[in-house]
Amino acid sequence: DAKTTQPNSMESNEEEPVHLPCNHSTISGTDYIHWYRQLPSQGPEYVIHGLTSNVNNRMASLAIAEDRKSSTLILHRATLRDAAVYYCILRDVNPNAGKSTFGDGTTLTVKP
Amino acid sequence: DAGVIQSPRHEVTEMGQEVTLRCKPISGHDYLFWYRQTMMRGLELLIYFNNNVPIDDSGMPEDRFSAKMPNASFSTLKIQPSEPRDSAVYFCASSRQGRNYGYTFGSGTRLTVV
Repeated sequence: DAKTTQPNSMESNEEEPVHLPCNHSTISGTDYIHWYRQLPSQGPEYVIHGLTSNVNNRMASLAIAEDRKSSTLILHRATLRDAAVYYCILRDVNPNAGKSTFGDGTTLTVKP
Repeated sequence: DAGVIQSPRHEVTEMGQEVTLRCKPISGHDYLFWYRQTMMRGLELLIYFNNNVPIDDSGMPEDRFSAKMPNASFSTLKIQPSEPRDSAVYFCASSRQGRNYGYTFGSGTRLTVV
């Protein structure tokens, strides 16, 4: 299984942008980069995913390096409700090709 | 859509008892996954199904664990006999097949074995 590496924790101030990095140097050509977040006492929640191009949705933006060995989840204006554990995982376009492994994620703290 | 529905939300049982966790995936989703989450080991994939067929059960910790998916709208994860080290939050997730879909997780079942 291709692995991802994320910082254990990050802090941000409310209303400021947050850039959450993820390294995935062993990514394969058919791996999609997925981001999830887990709020306290809840299941993980899908945030965004991409393959090669940068992606935007109502929750966040995903910036993918040209060599695809790293990516960054961008929260444009952090709110207190964005405090969560953020996971970056790789998912093969054919799910039967292998398992997606969740690492320890990044615990984001948002300060008022 | 009600999302992925898991039951029960909480389960407390005595060591040695049988425990059955239930999951109803989102209608139309082709894949169903069972995960376990603990502080020590994080989120671990136990088993996943494609169109009701188990594809990879290499994450199932031992023979005490079994999972079934008798139809597209229901799956169970059974532990028999349960042990205190099985205490964890168990999540079920489902997904459509294809490149544009992520996982949708349920709210989880918090299992405590005493």
